[in-house]
Amino acid sequence: DTGVSQDPRHKITKRGQNVTFRCDPISEHNRLYWYRQTLGQGPEFLTYFQNEAQLEKSRLLSDRFSAERPKGSFSTLEIQRTEQGDSAMYLCASSRPPQEPYFGPGTRLTVT
Amino acid sequence: AQSVTQPDIHITVSEGASLELRCNYSYGATPYLFWYVQSPGQGLQLLLKYFSGDTLVQGIKGFEAEFKRSQSSFNLRKPSVHWSDAAEYFCAVGDYGGATNKLIFGTGTLLAVQP
Repeated sequence: DTGVSQDPRHKITKRGQNVTFRCDPISEHNRLYWYRQTLGQGPEFLTYFQNEAQLEKSRLLSDRFSAERPKGSFSTLEIQRTEQGDSAMYLCASSRPPQEPYFGPGTRLTVT
Repeated sequence: AQSVTQPDIHITVSEGASLELRCNYSYGATPYLFWYVQSPGQGLQLLLKYFSGDTLVQGIKGFEAEFKRSQSSFNLRKPSVHWSDAAEYFCAVGDYGGATNKLIFGTGTLLAVQP
């Protein structure tokens, strides 16, 4: 069990560019979650997958955001046409219910 | 709607002193409650959780929390704080009885430890 990993750990991009983040969950976990955390706030739920199916999306997830988990293993979160308001820590977590989710170290996005 | 309130944004305690971090939740059913700790620039580490049973739960690093249904609270405590406990602490309620198991987090309490 190597834990949840995320790549990259840090990303600096210019406004208007597209970015993609990757999350590798714990291998036997069938659920995968994405959260966003802005400065001074707690993590906010964005979306989650049960295997390869995306079952819920938050209203925070605008049309510029898309998440995939094509084979039920790793997941990607893409942000198109980034805005300064997208600057945040993007956290991935995985779980095998009923156990609690385990979080990765996060990807820190800075949009300049 | 489910929500979590952590009324203390920032707390400073002296090393060796006791600590209590407050958490109040709003949830329609039996809550599943969690405390996570986050060091600067890091992800979240689970300290402890409450699903059912004994309302006093023990966690890692000497932390404990007590679930009080009548007060809708799940306060985190530690009898003697160490300098390494300085971090941000998040309380969360989980929709574990439902389909998603997603967590709703509070805004966090930043703990500073004075020597």
